[in-house]
Amino acid sequence: GENVEQHPSTLSVQEGDSAVIKCTYSDSASNYFPWYKQELGKRPQLIIDIRSNVGEKKDQRIAVTLNKTAKHFSLHITETQPEDSAVYFCAASKGGSYIPTFGRGTSLIVHP
Amino acid sequence: EAQVTQNPRYLITVTGKKLTVTCSQNMNHEYMSWYRQDPGLGLRQIYYSMNVEVTDKGDVPEGYKVSRKEKRNFPLILESPSPNQTSLYFCASSPGRYTGELFFGEGSRLTVL
Repeated sequence: GENVEQHPSTLSVQEGDSAVIKCTYSDSASNYFPWYKQELGKRPQLIIDIRSNVGEKKDQRIAVTLNKTAKHFSLHITETQPEDSAVYFCAASKGGSYIPTFGRGTSLIVHP
Repeated sequence: EAQVTQNPRYLITVTGKKLTVTCSQNMNHEYMSWYRQDPGLGLRQIYYSMNVEVTDKGDVPEGYKVSRKEKRNFPLILESPSPNQTSLYFCASSPGRYTGELFFGEGSRLTVL
């Protein structure tokens, strides 16, 4: 089955810095890669996703890049703010059999 | 309001006492799933359902049962809970296999003594 590795497990940055979280996947048939944000005590919520037919997607301060050849994808957050502090999960799945496999999560801490 | 509702939100129980965590969605979603979240282990899938009367095991199904008799409901049953099932549980749903986004419930924190 699919295996998703996520790094780092903890990331500490100063407000205004950029943050990058990286994930690798094992199944070359995976074609959908969402990112979820989980604030403390809350449920995970989708913040951005990318499908395998594109290499990059942006939404304001966040962006995701995908390298299908290397089987890795990354989340980039620019100009971080304290409210970006949360646990971020990457996931991978295949269309036609939507069973996402999640990474173990990255705890992002943004210091004011 | 579109939502996934779980109950109970918090529960403390004892080893061996059967319990059910209910999950209901009002979005007419085909796909529903249960996850457990443990520190350092992320979200691990317990069971999922592609549609009514169709369920399948996820990565950590041992000690759990599910049923999908109606499209909106997907209860998680712990027949004989053990302390290693102490965890935070999330139910999630999605419109269908091609649409992507998972909508999560608020979570159920279970402690088994």
